[in-house]
This record gives sequence, structure tokens and C-alpha cells, in this order.
Amino acid sequence: DAKTTQPTSMDCAEGRAANLPCNHSTISGNEYVYWYRQIHSQGPQYIIHGLKNNETNEMASLIITEDRKSSTLILPHATLRDTAVYYCIVRPGGTSYGKLTFGQGTILTVHP
Amino acid sequence: DAGVIQSPRHEVTEMGQEVTLRCKPISGHNSLFWYRQTMMRGLELLIYFNNNVPIDDSGMPEDRFSAKMPNASFSTLKIQPSEPRDSAVYFCASSYQVSPPLSGANVLTFGAGSRLTVL
Repeated sequence: DAKTTQPTSMDCAEGRAANLPCNHSTISGNEYVYWYRQIHSQGPQYIIHGLKNNETNEMASLIITEDRKSSTLILPHATLRDTAVYYCIVRPGGTSYGKLTFGQGTILTVHP
Repeated sequence: DAGVIQSPRHEVTEMGQEVTLRCKPISGHNSLFWYRQTMMRGLELLIYFNNNVPIDDSGMPEDRFSAKMPNASFSTLKIQPSEPRDSAVYFCASSYQVSPPLSGANVLTFGAGSRLTVL
């Protein structure tokens, strides 16, 4: 399985963009990059995913480098409610039936 | 949609007792996952089912743990006998997966979790 490396923690001011990096240098050609987050005492929540192209939805944007060895999750206007642990996950290819392996993630703290 | 429903939300039991955690996946989803979360080990996949069939149970800690999915709308995770080290938050998640799985994306929806404390 491709492994991911994320910073342990990050801070962001409310209203500013939060840019969360993820390194996945061993990613395979058919593997997707997923981002989930977990707010305290809740289950993980899906944010966004991508393969090669940059992606945007109502929650965030995902920027994947051309060589696909790293990506950045962007929360354009962070709020206090975005304080959470953010997980970058690379989905195994083949017959994995959607199996996701979570790492330690990045603790994002949004402060006033 | 009510989402993935787990029960109980909190369970406190004594060592040696049997514990049964329950999960109702999202209607129409055909894959179901059981995860366990602890401070020391983070989120660990225990077992997952596709079309009610266990696909991979390599994450199940030991024989004390068992999981069943008798139908598409219900799954249980049982621990017998329970031990203090089983204390954790147990999450159930579901998704829709075509079979055999394609290379496309697969989004999991998680429940709120069941917090288990074994004294």
C-alpha cells in the first residue's frame, strides 16, 4: 500500500485559507488520493478525492502535483468548526472493495 | 437519509462479559466496514463485508472478536469475553461498491461510533 506522510499539526487563523500537505511518493498509477476529517468525538467524514486532476467541491479543493507524489487540501475560508484531524489516504488498487487505511493525520487547529 | 446508525453509543461493562455492537448501514450500500480507534493505535480496520460476505477479517485482533452480517441492513461486532484492552471507540462505515471493484473511487460514510469501556 502506498503510504502517506502528513505534518502532525498545523494552525490556521479563522477566515484564512488552510493548506494541508500530504506526501505520497510511492503512489501507484491507479490509486486515488482521499481526504477525510474527524471532528472530536465524531466519526470520520469524507471531504474530497482525486486521481490526477485538481478537484473542488463545496467543502474544499484538492491540488495534486503533476507527478502525483504529493497533494494539498485547501480549505478556502477556515472556520472554528474546521478544527479536526485531517487524514490523507491513498486507496489500494485491485480488489480492495474500498478498504481505507488511516494514518495519524494532521491536527488542524483554527483559532479566532 | 439517517446515515449509518450504530448502537449503543456508549457501553460500560466488566471484564469477561460479552459485548455486542450493532450497525445499520445506509440503505442501498453493499459494503460495510468495522473500524476501531484508540489513542495508541489510531483508526484500525477490523473487518469488511461486501454483499454480506466477509472479504477481509485480517484486522480482527483475536478469536474473541467476531462479526456477522446476516442481511444487507444489519451487522454486529461481538467481543466475548471482553478485556480492558478492548476499550476503544468502534466505528461502522458503509459504501456502495460495484463488484468486482473497479478502479474508481469509493466513499465511506461513517457512523457516530460506539464507545466501549471494559473495566
